[in-house]
Amino acid sequence: DAKTTQPPSMDCAEGRAANLPCNHSTISGNEYVYWYRQIHSQGPQYIIHGLKNNETNEMASLIITEDRKSSTLILPHATLRDTAVYYCIVKDSNSGYALNFGKGTSLLVTP
Amino acid sequence: DTGVSQNPRHKITKRGQNVTFRCDPISEHNRLYWYRQTLGQGPEFLTYFQNEAQLEKSRLLSDRFSAERPKGSFSTLEIQRTEQGDSAMYLCASSLFGQGSFGPGTRLTVL
Repeated sequence: DAKTTQPPSMDCAEGRAANLPCNHSTISGNEYVYWYRQIHSQGPQYIIHGLKNNETNEMASLIITEDRKSSTLILPHATLRDTAVYYCIVKDSNSGYALNFGKGTSLLVTP
Repeated sequence: DTGVSQNPRHKITKRGQNVTFRCDPISEHNRLYWYRQTLGQGPEFLTYFQNEAQLEKSRLLSDRFSAERPKGSFSTLEIQRTEQGDSAMYLCASSLFGQGSFGPGTRLTVL
């Protein structure tokens, strides 16, 4: 599975959009981009995933660049409860079942 | 929705002792995963079950570690002759298709 690069930490003001970047320049054509988050002392939580097209659900939007070498997770109106570590994972559905979480981005939402 | 449950939530043991953790997946989920997470790191994959068959094992799963899922429902993870380096959060996840749901984890401290 391709490697991802994320900033170690980011801040966001409550009520503003949080835009979390992820670089995956070696992604291959059949690899998906997944986002999970982990709130302190809890297990990871699935957020969203995509292949080529932008995706949106009730939690977030995922914007994937046309060359698929990077993506951005958008939390449109961040709340204090969105403070968490966010993990960007690239995975081929045929390459086994393990998720490679990396270190993620620690997002702090401030009042 | 009872979610994935793990017991115990916390375990303190002395070096050299054996410990066993239990994971109860979401009912009807046929896939079950174990991960380990140390402080400041993302979760690392340990092993995967589909029903009762253990289909994938990480090289992190040394011969002191053994996981079982005897009836394709709950799973146990045993660590024999614990070492201080085994101190970590042990996470279990289950899924039917695609993305899994994670449990709250068992925090192991080896003194």
